[in-house]
Amino acid sequence: GQNIDQPTEMTATEGAIVQINCTYQTSGFNGLFWYQQHAGEAPTFLSYNVLDGLEEKGRFSSFLSRSKGYSYLLLKELQMKDSASYLCAVNNQAGTALIFGKGTTLSVSS
Amino acid sequence: GAVVSQHPSRVICKSGTSVKIECRSLDFQATTMFWYRQFPKQSLMLMATSNEGSKATYEQGVEKDKFLINHASLTLSTLTVTSAHPEDSSFYICSARDRGGTGKGANTEAFFGQGTRLTVV
Repeated sequence: GQNIDQPTEMTATEGAIVQINCTYQTSGFNGLFWYQQHAGEAPTFLSYNVLDGLEEKGRFSSFLSRSKGYSYLLLKELQMKDSASYLCAVNNQAGTALIFGKGTTLSVSS
Repeated sequence: GAVVSQHPSRVICKSGTSVKIECRSLDFQATTMFWYRQFPKQSLMLMATSNEGSKATYEQGVEKDKFLINHASLTLSTLTVTSAHPEDSSFYICSARDRGGTGKGANTEAFFGQGTRLTVV
């Protein structure tokens, strides 16, 4: 089955940089997703990595190492509105549904 | 991006009653939709995969007689929580992927409905 591990909580200050790590073990691999979820709201898509390396998208970047079963989400120039839960996800074995990690709750303070 | 609409956003029901939640893909056809459940401060747990025109596929530990799923058209899936009890109180959320008619779409992002906050009293 799919197994995903990420830290439960992280804290940071405005303007800082934070890295949220995710490790995974999967039966087959066809990409890793990062989602942001504010409390009581639907998750929103941040990034998708299927090849090794860094994908940059504005203040957010995501890195993947398939050999290590490892990814991270890098958030730069943190803002208060970045306080949210960040979810790492991979496809299920059938490649149809997303299986999510437990999420990392990020608290940004001033 | 594609739009998935979920209704109602919030429902309170009495113990023993049934509640139906609708999930619609508004600008694309979804032969498959997914239902998740989320308890406070926990992650999304996949409950079942809804398949248009056929039976849903349930994840291990999810009671199919309690969580009835119907996917009667390419744009609508419904989840009915039958004989609801307080422990069924949770955030239920659906998702779909716009596969564009090709392949499994494993590389496409999943779009989520707004979620339904169910409270059983």
